[in-house]
Amino acid sequence: GAGVSQSPSNKVTEKGKDVELRCDPISGHTALYWYRQSLGQGLEFLIYFQGNSAPDKSGLPSDRFSAERTGGSVSTLTIQRTQQEDSAVYLCASSPAVGDGEIPISYNEQFFGPGTRLTVL
Amino acid sequence: RKEVEQDPGPFNVPEGATVAFNCTYSNSASQSFFWYRQDCRKEPKLLMSVYSSGNEDGRFTAQLNRASQYISLLIRDSKLSDSATYLCVVRLEAGNNRKLIWGLGTSLAVNP
Repeated sequence: GAGVSQSPSNKVTEKGKDVELRCDPISGHTALYWYRQSLGQGLEFLIYFQGNSAPDKSGLPSDRFSAERTGGSVSTLTIQRTQQEDSAVYLCASSPAVGDGEIPISYNEQFFGPGTRLTVL
Repeated sequence: RKEVEQDPGPFNVPEGATVAFNCTYSNSASQSFFWYRQDCRKEPKLLMSVYSSGNEDGRFTAQLNRASQYISLLIRDSKLSDSATYLCVVRLEAGNNRKLIWGLGTSLAVNP
C-alpha cells in the first residue's frame, strides 16, 4: 500500500526566501508529525497534529516556522525567510492514532516519509 | 540532562557477536517505549516496541526497567545488515498532549 509521501524530495533555495514542504500521510492515519534532522544529528521534533489540531507546537524553532493540516490529511510545513541553519532533512511521519490506554501499543508506530532535503544557500 | 540519552557509539562488532544498547530517560511519567533503526540517509523505521515484561523478536530482545528508568536492546548473532543507528524513543502523556521524545541514536557497525 501507499506509504507516507513528501514533496519535494529536494529543495534548494536562497537565504531569505520562503519554502513550503508537503506531507501526504497514510490514508486514515490521524496523527502526523514533523521532524528535522541535520547531517549526523538526531531527530528534532517540530510539531504534531491529531486530526487538524496541533496540541504540541513546542518544537517549532522560531516564528518563521508554521504548519497546518487540512481535512485531517495533507500537511504543509512553511518556513519563512529561510536561513542557512534551516538546512536539514525534514521528515514527516504518521501513525494510526496517538494512542491511549485502550489502543494497542502497536498503534503508536510512526511511519516515516522519505523526507525533504532542504538546502539554504 | 537530556530527556532521553543514548551512548552514541559507534559500536564496532564482528559478525555473530552479541551487542547491547542502553537508553535512559529522565521523565518517570513516560508511558511507552520503542526502538527504531535508521539506515544511513534513510528514514527511521520501527524495530520493536518495548513492553513492561520485556519482549523478544527473533535475534532482538528489548527490556524495560522502570525503577531505573532505562530500556535496553540486545542483538544476538549480529549480521552485517544490522549495521545502522538505533534510536530510543519514549512517549510522554500529559492530558491531551502525547509527545514522543527521541534519543540521538547509537551507531552500530557489524564487520565481516
